[in-house]
Amino acid sequence: AQSVAQPEDQVNVAEGNPLTVKCTYSVSGNPYLFWYVQYPNRGLQFLLKYITGDNLVKGSYGFEAEFNKSQTSFHLKKPSALVSDSALYFCAVRAYSSASKIIFGSGTRLSIRP
Amino acid sequence: EAQVTQNPRYLITVTGKKLTVTCSQNMNHEYMSWYRQDPGLGLRQIYYSMNVEVTDKGDVPEGYKVSRKEKRNFPLILESPSPNQTSLYFCASSPDSGTAAFYGYTFGSGTRLTVV
Repeated sequence: AQSVAQPEDQVNVAEGNPLTVKCTYSVSGNPYLFWYVQYPNRGLQFLLKYITGDNLVKGSYGFEAEFNKSQTSFHLKKPSALVSDSALYFCAVRAYSSASKIIFGSGTRLSIRP
Repeated sequence: EAQVTQNPRYLITVTGKKLTVTCSQNMNHEYMSWYRQDPGLGLRQIYYSMNVEVTDKGDVPEGYKVSRKEKRNFPLILESPSPNQTSLYFCASSPDSGTAAFYGYTFGSGTRLTVV
């Protein structure tokens, strides 16, 4: 079965430092992978996706993610964190059973301290 | 502005009192879906719709109903709400049912439901 795991419930980073939010996946076939962000009192917003091609994917707000097939990981990264990056982040994968369905991880709360 | 609109944003109700949460999108999207978000569990799919008059169960459909009479609207109905349905609910849409997972979803702002 397809699944994604976000091993950290919370990640704390000082402003200006690099950040990483971890995600590992389990899929049959080639993975379609996504990152979404949820700000307080808002719906989820699409950040970036990996379908094929370069292992380093660039997305919105200066975020990027690195696809690693051997480690089945898709970690979200940013070179220099901002306080405004504080939010809930979800990793997601396309379900093999349906071209339409996306399966979400449990979420990681990112907290950036000034 | 292209968006998915959910109403209401907040709702407190009593056990057994039927309620409907509305969802409307103005992007002519084929695919629409309902999710519930619970701490530590992420988002779980309740129902989805590939197009008008085509709906199907997701992972946690018990206690919910949906309908898709028009392309833009996809209401979520709780016929007899119970406290275990207290949750944060999101409606989402995507342009094409066949490739929804390729394009990603557009989400509404959410409905926080409390059943007492």
